[in-house]
Amino acid sequence: GQQVMQIPQYQHVQEGEDFTTYCNSSTTLSNIQWYKQRPGGHPVFLIQLVKSGEVKKQKRLTFQFGEAKKNSSLHITATQTTDVGTYFCARSGSYIPTFGRGTSLIVHP
Amino acid sequence: DAGVIQSPRHEVTEMGQEVTLRCKPISGHDYLFWYRQTMMRGLELLIYFNNNVPIDDSGMPEDRFSAKMPNASFSTLKIQPSEPRDSAVYFCASTASRLAGGSYNEQFFGPGTRLTVL
Repeated sequence: GQQVMQIPQYQHVQEGEDFTTYCNSSTTLSNIQWYKQRPGGHPVFLIQLVKSGEVKKQKRLTFQFGEAKKNSSLHITATQTTDVGTYFCARSGSYIPTFGRGTSLIVHP
Repeated sequence: DAGVIQSPRHEVTEMGQEVTLRCKPISGHDYLFWYRQTMMRGLELLIYFNNNVPIDDSGMPEDRFSAKMPNASFSTLKIQPSEPRDSAVYFCASTASRLAGGSYNEQFFGPGTRLTVL
């Protein structure tokens, strides 16, 4: 199937530093979803982006959808230990998502 | 709503044994998905159902795996016989299409079943 590639695979940050994960596709995406999975937990839906160039914010989290709808990013400002987990992007077509491999965020206090 | 319910939460079995994982989707959701998650392969879609009908099982690893959805509130994933390489976390997820009143087609995941095959 058509995949989405996520980078980096892992990211270590000091608490208070910013964090960004990127999601890329070789084909145009109809939409992109983001999920967070805490260690030992299950993926939880964060947001869906649909429009070209769309930017959405959730507190310290900023989600962007590229103008060409082939990439997306998630940026966390001033990370906290509660941000620890794996962040997945997923392309969703006809209710069937294809998940990226995720970026695991490790926050050091 | 209780969310997606999975049982058991943990399963330890010996190679060759039959394993049955269970899932109760969110009431009213018309799509149900089974995923397997491992460090090596990430989150893999095994099979999904729409209105209790299996639509795509191309992700099922081999004939040892089978899934059923006898009604809108229950699904099973069976592995027979199990092998050590089947050890993983198995997630069930459900979604409501627009026809079912959903809006974002977001996936609601259950807590998962951690399967260990010795």
